[in-house]
Amino acid sequence: AQSVTQLGSHVSVSEGALVLLRCNYSSSVPPYLFWYVQYPNQGLQLLLKYTSAATLVKGINGFEAEFKKSETSFHLTKPSAHMSDAAEYFCAALSGGYQKVTFGTGTKLQVIP
Amino acid sequence: DVKVTQSSRYLVKRTGEKVFLECVQDMDHENMFWYRQDPGLGLRLIYFSYDVKMKEKGDIPEGYSVSREKKERFSLILESASTNQTSMYLCASSLESTEAFFGQGTRLTVV
Repeated sequence: AQSVTQLGSHVSVSEGALVLLRCNYSSSVPPYLFWYVQYPNQGLQLLLKYTSAATLVKGINGFEAEFKKSETSFHLTKPSAHMSDAAEYFCAALSGGYQKVTFGTGTKLQVIP
Repeated sequence: DVKVTQSSRYLVKRTGEKVFLECVQDMDHENMFWYRQDPGLGLRLIYFSYDVKMKEKGDIPEGYSVSREKKERFSLILESASTNQTSMYLCASSLESTEAFFGQGTRLTVV
């Protein structure tokens, strides 16, 4: 079964610093991959998705992620953190032939002024 | 824009009550999902449906059932609510092999 691992349940960065949130997936077959963001007491909002086209994917709010098959990774980055980026971020995978999306356990991003 | 609407943002129910959580989507999506979200555990799939009257168990179906009588509506039923079902419940919908769109969530407290 597909699994998704997010390293670090909490990440703190200074405002203006690089944001790096880590995600690894388990499938030997490259799945569709997603990053979602969740603000307090809200549902999940799609940040970006990888669907086997370009390996570097750009999303909303200045975020991007790079698919690396050799490392089975899909890390999320943003060059310069903003206070409004403070939220919880979820990595997710959808394997071919299935409709189930498997989520990681989430990473809470704190941005320090 | 896709809209997924959950009927309640907050619910408080008593132990043993039958609880209905309703979800409606307006984009003619085939797939609909119910997840529960708990701190440190991420989102766990309870049930999903890929067509009207069709349902599949997810990872944690015990204590829950679902109903999908119309394409746009997917209901989660707690037959006899228990305190360990206190959680945030998230409904989502999707087309085949695409991203899921989420509702705002229902925070259920069972007392």
